[in-house]
Amino acid sequence: DAEITQSPRHKITETGRQVTLACHQTWNHNNMFWYRQDLGHGLRLIHYSYGVQDTNKGEVSDGYSVSRSNTEDLPLTLESAASSQTSVYFCASSESRSGGYTFGSGTRLTVV
Amino acid sequence: DQQVKQNSPSLSVQEGRISILNCDYTNSMFDYFLWYKKYPAEGPTFLISISSIKDKNEDGRFTVFLNKSAKHLSLHIVPSQPGDSAVYFCAAITNKLIFGTGTLLAVQP
Repeated sequence: DAEITQSPRHKITETGRQVTLACHQTWNHNNMFWYRQDLGHGLRLIHYSYGVQDTNKGEVSDGYSVSRSNTEDLPLTLESAASSQTSVYFCASSESRSGGYTFGSGTRLTVV
Repeated sequence: DQQVKQNSPSLSVQEGRISILNCDYTNSMFDYFLWYKKYPAEGPTFLISISSIKDKNEDGRFTVFLNKSAKHLSLHIVPSQPGDSAVYFCAAITNKLIFGTGTLLAVQP
C-alpha cells in the first residue's frame, strides 16, 4: 500500500545545531508540503513543492529550507535550530492542488 | 493574518446529540473547503470537503454547510459518538491548503 512516512518520530536537539527531518511518500504525488502544529496556531505551512526541483516558501519559512531532488522525498532542514522551532512537524502530499492531502504521522522536535 | 479562523477552541457534546463546529474565512478566492480530523500522536485525516459553488455536502453522519455571503462554514455531526472526540481543523484551498486553529471536540458518553 502507498504511504507517507516521516522520520524520526521524536527528536531532541540543541540550539544552534542543524537538523533534518525526513519525509518519504510512495503515492507518486507531485505535491508535497511541510506544516508545523502549535497550540493556538493550528497547522501553519512552512514550505511546499509542486514537483522535482520546485520549492516554495509558506507562511512561516524563516529558519527552514527544503530541497526536492526526486518525487518521493522532501526533507526539511533547520539550518540553526532555535527554541521557537520546538513543535510537531507534519509532512503531506497530494495528487492535485485542490485537496486530498495525505499526512504523515508527524515528528515531534524539541530544541533545548 | 489568519485567513481561516475557528473561534471556539473546544466544544463538549453529549453522545447522540448534534455537534456543530464553526469556521470563518476572509479570502473570497478560496475554491475548496475541507475538514480534517486529528487524533493525538497521529497526522490529520481528511473528513469531508465542499466546493465553493455548493452550499451543502453530506457524507453519512457528517454534513458541511457553506455560506459564501457570510464567509462561514460549519460541520455538523449527527449523532455524535465518543469516537468522534478529536481536534477538528477547518481548511481552505486556492493553490495550497490553509488551516484554521482547530476545535477540540469532546463527546461525553
